Amino acid sequence: EIVMTQSPATLPVSPGERATLFCRASESVTTNLVWHQQKPGHAPRLLIYGASTRATGIPARFSGSGSGTEFTLTISSLQSEDFAVYYCQQYNDWPQTFGQGTKVEIK
Amino acid sequence: QVQLVESGGGVVQPGRSLRLSCAASGFTFSDYGMHWVRQDPRKGLQWVAVISYDATNTYYADSVRGRFTISRDNSENTLFLQMDSLRPEDTAVYFCASYGVGRYIAYWGQGTLVTVSS
Repeated sequence: EIVMTQSPATLPVSPGERATLFCRASESVTTNLVWHQQKPGHAPRLLIYGASTRATGIPARFSGSGSGTEFTLTISSLQSEDFAVYYCQQYNDWPQTFGQGTKVEIK
Repeated sequence: QVQLVESGGGVVQPGRSLRLSCAASGFTFSDYGMHWVRQDPRKGLQWVAVISYDATNTYYADSVRGRFTISRDNSENTLFLQMDSLRPEDTAVYFCASYGVGRYIAYWGQGTLVTVSS
């Protein structure tokens, strides 16, 4: 199966600052990658699909990039509601697999 | 808006069975594939199974293949997960989720907790 590795595990960021999260696949997934956001006690929510397309209702401060094995999620100016755990997931092959998550916390 | 509501979770002994349901609304259920995904604090998010829009194709994670069965009733807009021969390591919150334009997970339910313990 394709192994997804996220870094860093924890990212301390001050409100208003930029956050950059990384996701690496053990083999190419082309652009078949999504990013989900999860807040404590809640289900995940889709942010980005196709590596770079924002899902419906997702603010423009969220952007995704990358292809093949290297991907990035950027939050341009962190708002209070953005402190959460972020997961990447590949859907290029079965089984679909998730990264272990990056927790964005208040610095 | 899309709503996915899971039910059927609970506490069950090892070796026993449990059936989860997911009631879907707010979209044309019969047009979309559906997933089950589980989450526990130790292993994070784990994709479990998927079923095509017309139930002709299913795929399973190796850890559940042969024990779990995914199915759907398009007339009732409901997704199911039959879990047999349950093990302690199956303990997790189970989410149902729907396809997007592609086969990625676009919408998630709120989850139902399954605890396998004697």
